[in-house]
Amino acid sequence: EPEVTQTPSHQVTQMGQEVILRCVPISNHLYFYWYRQILGQKVEFLVSFYNNEISEKSEIFDDQFSVERPDGSNFTLKIRSTKLEDSAMYFCASSDQGFNEQYFGPGTRLTVT
Amino acid sequence: KQEVTQIPAALSVPEGENLVLNCSFTDSAIYNLQWFRQDPGKGLTSLLLIQSSQREQTSGRLNASLDKSSGRSTLYIAASQPGDSATYLCAVGSGAAGNKLTFGGGTRVLVKP
Repeated sequence: EPEVTQTPSHQVTQMGQEVILRCVPISNHLYFYWYRQILGQKVEFLVSFYNNEISEKSEIFDDQFSVERPDGSNFTLKIRSTKLEDSAMYFCASSDQGFNEQYFGPGTRLTVT
Repeated sequence: KQEVTQIPAALSVPEGENLVLNCSFTDSAIYNLQWFRQDPGKGLTSLLLIQSSQREQTSGRLNASLDKSSGRSTLYIAASQPGDSATYLCAVGSGAAGNKLTFGGGTRVLVKP
């Protein structure tokens, strides 16, 4: 069964460093998303992406964040200068149509020290 | 701003009992509602999606209902098994593109053998 994959599973970085989290969405899907879950808190929406542009973003998704689809299969989230409060599990998701079921990847645990 | 609440936060039942999980949301202008299962330290597994025009959706032992006007959804799991032990999350789809998911805090379920 097709699934969303994410790499790495765990990333440790120092405050102020740049990180890139990678995702491979399900192959025929057109809509891509990033969410995050801080330990013990709710899953939060960060951004949605369609047709090579951001369709919606939350207030969390400030200038430190960017997304890119560099080729036909990958979808990346870049955090330019990480802060301690960026430590969280980051989930990538994809859907075939905008209102349809979103399928989530296993997540990347980001630890900022 | 959409707020999603799940009560109770935790639930323990003996094997074989039916589970009833509740989800409420404050803004009825939603496009869909999705139920997920999350195992500890893992990603989110989609269980059911109900579009806003639907009242109910079924998959195997799972049945989810949606009452948009009252801002409620209920997930029923029939004849619970120890393997059903997990955290169950509901998420409502809204926003400009209709695919921004707002999550509840989850109900942690323990099914005792």
